[in-house]
Amino acid sequence: NAGVTQTPKFRVLKTGQSMTLLCAQDMNHEYMYWYRQDPGMGLRLIHYSVGEGTTAKGEVPDGYNVSRLKKQNFLLGLESAAPSQTSVYFCAPRDSSYEQYFGPGTRLTVT
Amino acid sequence: AQSVTQLDSHVSVSEGTPVLLRCNYSSSYSPSLFWYVQHPNKGLQLLLKYTSAATLVKGINGFEAEFKKSETSFHLTKPSAHMSDAAEYFCVVGKQSGGSYIPTFGRGTSLIVHP
Repeated sequence: NAGVTQTPKFRVLKTGQSMTLLCAQDMNHEYMYWYRQDPGMGLRLIHYSVGEGTTAKGEVPDGYNVSRLKKQNFLLGLESAAPSQTSVYFCAPRDSSYEQYFGPGTRLTVT
Repeated sequence: AQSVTQLDSHVSVSEGTPVLLRCNYSSSYSPSLFWYVQHPNKGLQLLLKYTSAATLVKGINGFEAEFKKSETSFHLTKPSAHMSDAAEYFCVVGKQSGGSYIPTFGRGTSLIVHP
């Protein structure tokens, strides 16, 4: 979706390293979500935000932190990466009709 | 609590034949329901959504879904499959919780289309 960008597209980390994934939207939506996608598991909600300066935990928040300092951006941080965090990460703002707009994803491998 | 079950992990059809992807949900409230499609190595795209208006919902690319409250189902159908329909499909149920909207995804159904 052209209105949602995710940076980086790919990343390989060693166990214990840290990194930040950036999600940026140009659609001015209040809600934003971070998901991880693993084979056979669908998408699982990590954290979400209902507006600038607010964040909340989703289904699988352990090992992740988030920040929403600006309405357009939603950052997902891994302080100490573990192999179990190898996954594809998707960000999705949503509009008032509950439709979500997914970014292209970040493929993360932790060795 | 809410949950969503996609009854088939894989569905295989021949091109030109009908498609049925099954989804059952559980929710304490009148839910909003969605189907998203994901083509290989892509993000997800909305196919269609139900938000308490008409029970038969039409989406993009000839897909439609029917909300059946008595059966707690929201199955996705298409009369005639096309090769380009081969993808992963996700059923999503969402509900309001404590002032926040929380979506829950099914595990996905992989649609395989044979020539």
